[in-house]
Amino acid sequence: QQQVRQSSQSLTVWEGETAILNCSYENSAFDYFPWYQQFPGEGPALLIAIRSVSDKKEDGRFTIFFNKREKNLSLHIKDSQPGDSATYFCAASEGGSGYNKLTFGKGTVLLVSP
Amino acid sequence: NAGVIQTPRHKVTGKGQEATLWCEPISGHSAVFWYRQTIVQGLEFLTYFRNQAPIDDSGMPKERFSAQMPNQSHSTLKIQSTQPQDSAVYLCASSLDQDTQYFGPGTRLLVL
Repeated sequence: QQQVRQSSQSLTVWEGETAILNCSYENSAFDYFPWYQQFPGEGPALLIAIRSVSDKKEDGRFTIFFNKREKNLSLHIKDSQPGDSATYFCAASEGGSGYNKLTFGKGTVLLVSP
Repeated sequence: NAGVIQTPRHKVTGKGQEATLWCEPISGHSAVFWYRQTIVQGLEFLTYFRNQAPIDDSGMPKERFSAQMPNQSHSTLKIQSTQPQDSAVYLCASSLDQDTQYFGPGTRLLVL
């Protein structure tokens, strides 16, 4: 059973549009949700993250909307650029003290067409 | 400031051989994580260390896989008697705080 699920394997948008990537999770103990961006041949890079006490986190063109009751979240990429074409991973970790391992979704491949 | 360094970037081994993968965390980071990435399974947690001590190895296959962190500047993941199903990208990440993990570029392992 997948604990973190990304609803789309792939998504294509036009340059300038808003790309919306969706994610849901099963484990109620998850309280930290980072999104990672990965380009071919590279490791994942942290893009933006949110804690479960918040319902929105914004950083430039990237916004996370979080719904704790529904156990889902989405990443909005405003004014998408061809350089945003990459694979995006939704991840989650549990709270508590110490460091926590990340549980990843399978990823969404985003293609931004010029 | 260099990021997480992983060596080698690519490794090809024959079935049954041993493979050792190296990770150098970001200086000052006290936690090191290992993950494995495949097309089918995606990104999977393997194990992690905090202040060089093994904390959680719940994702490690019980046989043939082992990880160590002999000092704060490097960690190794060793796979004995490699099998074709071990072919994957092995990713190392380090962390300074409880949340943010910084990933290296990965080692692409191919077992023939």
